[in-house]
Amino acid sequence: DTVLTQSPALAVSPGERVTISCKASESVSTRMHWYQQKPGQQPKLLIYKASNLASGVPARFSGSGSGTDFTLTIDPVEADDTATYFCQQSWNGPYTFGAGTKLELK
Amino acid sequence: EVQLVETGGGLVRPGSSLKLSCATSGFTFSNTWMNWVRQAPGKGLEWVALIKDKYSNYEANYAESVKGRFTISRDDSKSRVYLQMNTLRDQDTATYYCTRLHRSGASFDYWGQGVMVTVSS
Repeated sequence: DTVLTQSPALAVSPGERVTISCKASESVSTRMHWYQQKPGQQPKLLIYKASNLASGVPARFSGSGSGTDFTLTIDPVEADDTATYFCQQSWNGPYTFGAGTKLELK
Repeated sequence: EVQLVETGGGLVRPGSSLKLSCATSGFTFSNTWMNWVRQAPGKGLEWVALIKDKYSNYEANYAESVKGRFTISRDDSKSRVYLQMNTLRDQDTATYYCTRLHRSGASFDYWGQGVMVTVSS
């Protein structure tokens, strides 16, 4: 299975720019997607196919990357962005998720 | 508005069975591929199963961890997808989410609120 590696946690101040990384154990082309999950809620799709903004998602969120290295950027970060962010690949079967990056605001 | 509503969770003993149901609305269910994704308490997300549409002969795929024990099915006339879970184990304890597969790139673009399944003696 394709393993996706994310850093476990980040802490930033409101107004700053934050990048969350996801590294795949093998190429996933651009079939990388990003989700936001707030405590007690279901995940929400933010970015699909590496760089496409999902419907209704603020333009503060953006994604980039291809192959094995991907990044989710939030600029500027707002207090409401406190959440865990997961990457997911759909290029190699089975679909796999990263362990998540918990974003905390200072 | 797209809606996915899961039901059927609960507390069960190891070795028992449970069937989850997901009622959907707000989109054309019959040509949509549907999935179940689970999340153990305090843990990450794990894809469980996928069922394709009639144009793909309702092909189903499973995670290795549930293959042979879980069965995904669908009823297009009711816009529902199901997950029959047999021979449940402690490690199947999780919140189970019904998700819609976005055809462009195979992301999960809509999620239900989730239903909790607890397997414990």
